[in-house]
Amino acid sequence: EVQLVESGGGLVQPGGSLRLSCTASGFTFSNYWMHWVRQAPGKGLVWVSRVNSDGSSTIYADSVKGRFTNSRDNAKNTLYLQMNSLSVEDTAVYYCARGMGANEYWGQGTLVTVSS
Amino acid sequence: EIVLTQSPGTLSLSPGERATLSCRASQSVSSSDLGWYQQKPGQAPRLLIYGASSRATGIPDRFSGSGSGTDFTLNISRLEPEDVAVYYCQHYVNSPGYTFGQGTKLEIK
Repeated sequence: EVQLVESGGGLVQPGGSLRLSCTASGFTFSNYWMHWVRQAPGKGLVWVSRVNSDGSSTIYADSVKGRFTNSRDNAKNTLYLQMNSLSVEDTAVYYCARGMGANEYWGQGTLVTVSS
Repeated sequence: EIVLTQSPGTLSLSPGERATLSCRASQSVSSSDLGWYQQKPGQAPRLLIYGASSRATGIPDRFSGSGSGTDFTLNISRLEPEDVAVYYCQHYVNSPGYTFGQGTKLEIK
């Protein structure tokens, strides 16, 4: 069974940093592109970033470019999102999702709250 | 950047009725790059349709997708109370990035 489990969310002050993790199981992690998608409270889905299967290529939404880094450790079956210079607008549930095209599997999400 | 506009914003229908949800792209997109997701309250999104018209694994045939170019549709026949959710379309293309529509909220009367 494919499982994606996010962790690392929490409360952080504006300007601070946080690293999210997404641990994968039930499939060959190194074969798949992986994504981060976020959802602010009461709002819609917003795509954040994609990393390719070996971690050599990443793309980002303009809103996080230069502040967030998407990476992976295929030996640990784990995806990461390093988030720096956080602002209140980054408050959201962050989901990891698998997919070369459409995102066929999603984690349950981890909540990041940016507040003073 | 391609913008996806979904309509209506909210749809309120009775059990057994048919729901028609629209997703319009700001420019023509390939049908192979268009998907639909369902997000029930408090849950993660679930892929319903990929490639505009192919059902994902385990999705009942009450759900169907169609369209091409700039206009895409998700149809849900024989509505059930469990279909209450927000539905999102997505354009998934590597460059310049992946885009979601703003969502359509489906209510069951």
